[in-house]
Amino acid sequence: DIQMTQSPSTLSASVGDRVTITCRASQTISSKLAWYQQKPGRAPNLLIYKASTLETGVPSRFIGSGSGTEFTLTISSLQPDDFATYYCQQYNDYLFTFGPGTKVDIK
Amino acid sequence: QVQLVQSGGGLVKPGGSLRLSCTTSGFIFTDYYMSWFRQAPGKGLEWVSYISSSGTTIYYADSVKGRFTISRDTAKRSLYLQMSSLRAEDTAVYYCAKPGGANCGSSTCYTDYWGRGAQVTVSS
Repeated sequence: DIQMTQSPSTLSASVGDRVTITCRASQTISSKLAWYQQKPGRAPNLLIYKASTLETGVPSRFIGSGSGTEFTLTISSLQPDDFATYYCQQYNDYLFTFGPGTKVDIK
Repeated sequence: QVQLVQSGGGLVKPGGSLRLSCTTSGFIFTDYYMSWFRQAPGKGLEWVSYISSSGTTIYYADSVKGRFTISRDTAKRSLYLQMSSLRAEDTAVYYCAKPGGANCGSSTCYTDYWGRGAQVTVSS
Protein backbone atom coordinates (compact mmCIF):
# COMPACT_ATOMS: atom_id res chain seq x y z
CA ASP A 1 0.00 0.00 0.00
CA ILE A 2 1.12 3.54 -0.76
CA GLN A 3 1.82 5.63 2.36
CA MET A 4 1.69 9.41 2.27
CA THR A 5 3.58 11.72 4.63
CA GLN A 6 3.38 15.47 5.01
CA SER A 7 5.60 18.05 6.67
CA PRO A 8 5.31 20.08 8.70
CA SER A 9 2.26 18.96 10.66
CA THR A 10 1.67 22.52 11.83
CA LEU A 11 2.88 25.76 10.31
CA SER A 12 2.56 29.18 11.93
CA ALA A 13 2.75 32.06 9.49
CA SER A 14 1.67 35.65 8.91
CA VAL A 15 -0.39 37.23 6.19
CA GLY A 16 1.86 37.84 3.21
CA ASP A 17 4.28 35.01 4.01
CA ARG A 18 5.34 32.45 1.43
CA VAL A 19 4.66 28.98 2.83
CA THR A 20 5.59 25.54 1.53
CA ILE A 21 4.16 22.15 2.47
CA THR A 22 5.89 18.93 1.44
CA CYS A 23 4.21 15.63 0.67
CA ARG A 24 6.01 12.35 0.06
CA ALA A 25 4.72 9.05 -1.28
CA SER A 26 6.23 5.70 -0.26
CA GLN A 27 6.39 4.67 -3.93
CA THR A 28 6.10 6.47 -7.20
CA ILE A 29 2.65 7.81 -8.06
CA SER A 30 3.66 9.65 -11.25
CA SER A 31 1.71 12.92 -11.04
CA LYS A 32 -1.45 11.45 -9.51
CA LEU A 33 -1.40 13.80 -6.57
CA ALA A 34 -4.07 16.24 -5.42
CA TRP A 35 -4.10 18.94 -2.76
CA TYR A 36 -7.17 19.89 -0.73
CA GLN A 37 -7.92 22.68 1.70
CA GLN A 38 -10.28 21.99 4.59
CA LYS A 39 -11.77 24.38 7.10
CA PRO A 40 -13.43 23.26 10.35
CA GLY A 41 -16.87 21.76 9.82
CA ARG A 42 -16.55 21.85 6.04
CA ALA A 43 -15.89 19.33 3.31
CA PRO A 44 -12.45 19.38 1.67
CA ASN A 45 -11.99 21.75 -1.27
CA LEU A 46 -9.87 20.77 -4.28
CA LEU A 47 -6.97 23.14 -4.96
CA ILE A 48 -4.55 21.27 -7.23
CA TYR A 49 -4.70 18.03 -9.24
CA LYS A 50 -2.21 16.18 -11.40
CA ALA A 51 0.41 17.56 -8.99
CA SER A 52 0.49 21.03 -10.54
CA THR A 53 -2.80 21.83 -12.28
CA LEU A 54 -4.79 24.56 -10.57
CA GLU A 55 -8.49 23.76 -10.16
CA THR A 56 -10.82 26.29 -11.80
CA GLY A 57 -11.57 29.19 -9.49
CA VAL A 58 -8.63 28.59 -7.14
CA PRO A 59 -6.37 31.63 -6.70
CA SER A 60 -3.07 31.56 -8.54
CA ARG A 61 -1.14 32.02 -5.28
CA PHE A 62 -1.55 28.25 -4.80
CA ILE A 63 1.22 26.45 -6.67
CA GLY A 64 1.77 22.72 -6.86
CA SER A 65 4.90 20.97 -8.07
CA GLY A 66 6.66 17.61 -8.08
CA SER A 67 6.32 14.15 -9.53
CA GLY A 68 7.21 10.59 -8.62
CA THR A 69 7.43 10.56 -4.84
CA GLU A 70 8.03 14.15 -3.74
CA PHE A 71 5.57 17.01 -4.06
CA THR A 72 5.12 20.52 -2.72
CA LEU A 73 2.29 22.96 -2.26
CA THR A 74 3.37 26.60 -2.08
CA ILE A 75 1.17 29.52 -1.12
CA SER A 76 3.03 32.49 -2.56
CA SER A 77 1.49 35.15 -0.33
CA LEU A 78 -0.66 33.88 2.53
CA GLN A 79 -4.09 35.50 2.79
CA PRO A 80 -6.48 35.55 5.78
CA ASP A 81 -8.76 33.03 4.04
CA ASP A 82 -5.88 30.54 3.72
CA PHE A 83 -5.66 29.61 7.40
CA ALA A 84 -6.86 26.02 7.22
CA THR A 85 -5.65 22.42 7.08
CA TYR A 86 -4.14 21.12 3.85
CA TYR A 87 -4.09 17.49 2.74
CA CYS A 88 -2.29 15.78 -0.10
CA GLN A 89 -3.85 12.67 -1.63
CA GLN A 90 -2.61 10.07 -4.05
CA TYR A 91 -5.04 8.72 -6.62
CA ASN A 92 -2.65 6.29 -8.27
CA ASP A 93 -4.66 3.44 -6.79
CA TYR A 94 -8.13 2.99 -5.36
CA LEU A 95 -6.95 3.30 -1.76
CA PHE A 96 -6.83 7.08 -2.37
CA THR A 97 -4.44 7.58 0.55
CA PHE A 98 -4.22 10.99 2.21
CA GLY A 99 -1.35 12.59 4.00
CA PRO A 100 -1.99 13.33 7.69
CA GLY A 101 -2.54 17.03 7.01
CA THR A 102 -0.77 20.33 7.64
CA LYS A 103 -2.51 22.92 9.76
CA VAL A 104 -1.64 26.48 8.79
CA ASP A 105 -2.38 28.87 11.62
CA ILE A 106 -1.80 32.47 12.47
CA LYS A 107 1.60 33.37 13.89
CA GLN B 1 -24.14 22.77 -11.31
CA VAL B 2 -22.93 19.63 -9.59
CA GLN B 3 -24.70 18.80 -6.35
CA LEU B 4 -24.24 15.90 -3.95
CA VAL B 5 -26.99 15.92 -1.31
CA GLN B 6 -26.40 13.57 1.58
CA SER B 7 -28.84 12.13 4.09
CA GLY B 8 -29.08 9.32 6.59
CA GLY B 9 -26.60 10.02 9.36
CA GLY B 10 -27.37 9.78 13.05
CA LEU B 11 -26.73 8.14 16.40
CA VAL B 12 -26.65 4.35 16.54
CA LYS B 13 -25.67 1.81 19.17
CA PRO B 14 -22.65 -0.47 18.71
CA GLY B 15 -23.63 -3.40 16.54
CA GLY B 16 -26.39 -1.40 14.88
CA SER B 17 -26.97 -0.42 11.27
CA LEU B 18 -27.39 2.77 9.30
CA ARG B 19 -27.80 3.65 5.62
CA LEU B 20 -26.31 6.75 4.06
CA SER B 21 -27.65 8.19 0.82
CA CYS B 22 -26.19 10.67 -1.65
CA THR B 23 -28.45 12.07 -4.36
CA THR B 24 -26.63 13.67 -7.24
CA SER B 25 -27.37 16.17 -10.00
CA GLY B 26 -25.55 18.30 -12.52
CA PHE B 27 -23.39 15.64 -14.17
CA ILE B 28 -23.75 12.40 -16.12
CA PHE B 29 -23.97 9.96 -13.21
CA THR B 30 -23.26 6.90 -15.35
CA ASP B 31 -19.92 8.35 -16.52
CA TYR B 32 -18.30 8.34 -13.09
CA TYR B 33 -17.29 5.98 -10.36
CA MET B 34 -18.30 7.23 -6.92
CA SER B 35 -16.67 6.99 -3.52
CA TRP B 36 -17.28 7.39 0.18
CA PHE B 37 -14.70 8.95 2.49
CA ARG B 38 -14.85 9.60 6.24
CA GLN B 39 -13.21 11.75 8.85
CA ALA B 40 -13.17 10.78 12.52
CA PRO B 41 -13.34 13.62 15.06
CA GLY B 42 -10.10 15.59 15.03
CA LYS B 43 -8.52 13.19 12.53
CA GLY B 44 -7.59 13.15 8.87
CA LEU B 45 -9.42 11.92 5.81
CA GLU B 46 -9.85 8.23 5.06
CA TRP B 47 -11.17 6.51 1.96
CA VAL B 48 -13.97 4.02 2.72
CA SER B 49 -15.37 2.54 -0.48
CA TYR B 50 -15.46 2.80 -4.28
CA ILE B 51 -18.00 1.69 -6.88
CA SER B 52 -17.33 1.87 -10.60
CA SER B 53 -19.66 3.66 -12.99
CA SER B 54 -21.28 0.37 -13.99
CA GLY B 55 -21.46 -0.88 -10.42
CA THR B 56 -19.52 -4.01 -11.30
CA THR B 57 -16.27 -3.13 -9.54
CA ILE B 58 -16.36 -2.42 -5.83
CA TYR B 59 -13.60 -1.89 -3.29
CA TYR B 60 -13.62 -1.40 0.46
CA ALA B 61 -11.08 -0.26 3.01
CA ASP B 62 -9.94 -3.16 5.18
CA SER B 63 -11.43 -1.38 8.21
CA VAL B 64 -14.99 -1.74 6.85
CA LYS B 65 -14.78 -4.84 4.65
CA GLY B 66 -17.52 -7.34 5.42
CA ARG B 67 -19.57 -4.75 7.35
CA PHE B 68 -20.30 -1.98 4.82
CA THR B 69 -21.95 -2.28 1.41
CA ILE B 70 -21.76 0.35 -1.29
CA SER B 71 -24.34 0.52 -4.07
CA ARG B 72 -25.72 2.90 -6.66
CA ASP B 73 -29.07 3.40 -8.40
CA THR B 74 -28.79 4.90 -11.87
CA ALA B 75 -32.49 5.77 -12.17
CA LYS B 76 -32.36 7.71 -8.90
CA ARG B 77 -28.85 9.08 -9.57
CA SER B 78 -28.01 8.02 -6.07
CA LEU B 79 -25.16 6.46 -4.15
CA TYR B 80 -25.64 4.48 -0.94
CA LEU B 81 -23.59 3.13 1.92
CA GLN B 82 -25.21 0.44 4.05
CA MET B 83 -23.32 0.18 7.31
CA SER B 84 -23.82 -2.71 9.71
CA SER B 85 -22.09 -4.12 12.79
CA LEU B 86 -21.11 -0.56 13.57
CA ARG B 87 -18.32 0.11 16.05
CA ALA B 88 -17.30 3.14 18.08
CA GLU B 89 -14.34 3.60 15.72
CA ASP B 90 -16.77 4.11 12.81
CA THR B 91 -17.83 7.41 14.38
CA ALA B 92 -17.03 10.03 11.77
CA VAL B 93 -18.38 12.46 9.23
CA TYR B 94 -19.00 10.51 6.03
CA TYR B 95 -18.63 12.24 2.67
CA CYS B 96 -19.80 11.08 -0.72
CA ALA B 97 -17.47 12.18 -3.48
CA LYS B 98 -17.46 12.58 -7.24
CA PRO B 99 -14.23 12.23 -9.21
CA GLY B 100 -12.99 14.78 -11.71
CA GLY B 101 -11.08 14.45 -14.94
CA ALA B 102 -11.24 12.13 -17.90
CA ASN B 103 -11.90 8.39 -17.87
CA CYS B 104 -13.29 8.36 -14.37
CA GLY B 105 -15.62 5.44 -14.98
CA SER B 106 -13.44 2.69 -13.65
CA SER B 107 -9.99 4.18 -13.13
CA THR B 108 -8.85 6.43 -10.29
CA CYS B 109 -9.14 10.21 -10.30
CA TYR B 110 -8.96 13.12 -7.91
CA THR B 111 -12.17 14.26 -6.17
CA ASP B 112 -13.62 17.49 -7.50
CA TYR B 113 -16.94 17.54 -5.62
CA TRP B 114 -17.82 16.48 -2.11
CA GLY B 115 -21.13 16.19 -0.32
CA ARG B 116 -21.58 18.29 2.80
CA GLY B 117 -21.05 15.26 5.02
CA ALA B 118 -23.23 13.12 7.28
CA GLN B 119 -22.40 12.67 10.95
CA VAL B 120 -22.44 9.06 12.12
CA THR B 121 -22.05 8.54 15.85
CA VAL B 122 -21.76 5.03 17.27
CA SER B 123 -22.30 5.08 21.00
CA SER B 124 -24.29 3.26 23.67
